[in-house]
Amino acid sequence: DADVTQTPRNRITKTGKRIMLECSQTKGHDRMYWYRQDPGLGLRLIYYSFDVKDINKGEISDGYSVSRQAQAKFSLSLESAIPNQTALYFCATEGTGSYEQYFGPGTRLTVT
Amino acid sequence: AQRVTQPEKLLSVFKGAPVELKCNYSYSGSPELFWYVQYSRQRLQLLLRHISRESIKGFTADLNKGETSFHLKKPFAQEEDSAMYYCALSALFGNTPLVFGKGTRLSVIA
Repeated sequence: DADVTQTPRNRITKTGKRIMLECSQTKGHDRMYWYRQDPGLGLRLIYYSFDVKDINKGEISDGYSVSRQAQAKFSLSLESAIPNQTALYFCATEGTGSYEQYFGPGTRLTVT
Repeated sequence: AQRVTQPEKLLSVFKGAPVELKCNYSYSGSPELFWYVQYSRQRLQLLLRHISRESIKGFTADLNKGETSFHLKKPFAQEEDSAMYYCALSALFGNTPLVFGKGTRLSVIA
């Protein structure tokens, strides 16, 4: 589903570096989410936004920040990357009232 | 608070055998339950939601409010069913994000 895209798809970075992951959608959805996926831990919510002026912390927001630049764009930043932030990161969108989320293809981030 | 429990991290079955992926939830209000699936190297996608009562790829799931369960079932497993399955819960009429379980990896053995 090319309606939700993520860049980059893969990234290797060093400890202490700042990195930004970007998510764009053409579905016209107001709600957007950032998750990380780790083996055995499933999907964990980092941040979410119900509209352009709304930002909320999720289960594991420490060490992360987000920016909702427009309805279609939601970026995730790691201010100072650390190795335990190595994971697969997913962006998702949801139409208000639909309860169904559409996921991007994921960004595989490795912090060395 | 909403919680979703998937007690099995890994479930292995033989091709043609029945499959049941367990999901239990904790929520005092009216829940909307979902199953999402992630095939190898693909993004997560919705498999089914209880409110639509559809059968997708031969899978069904019934919401049992008495047992607070939403188990995913298929009578005859196929190799292409091998994937990661996530159960998720949303609060109907609420304004909170979807809550996911930790997932169950289904492996169908030929």
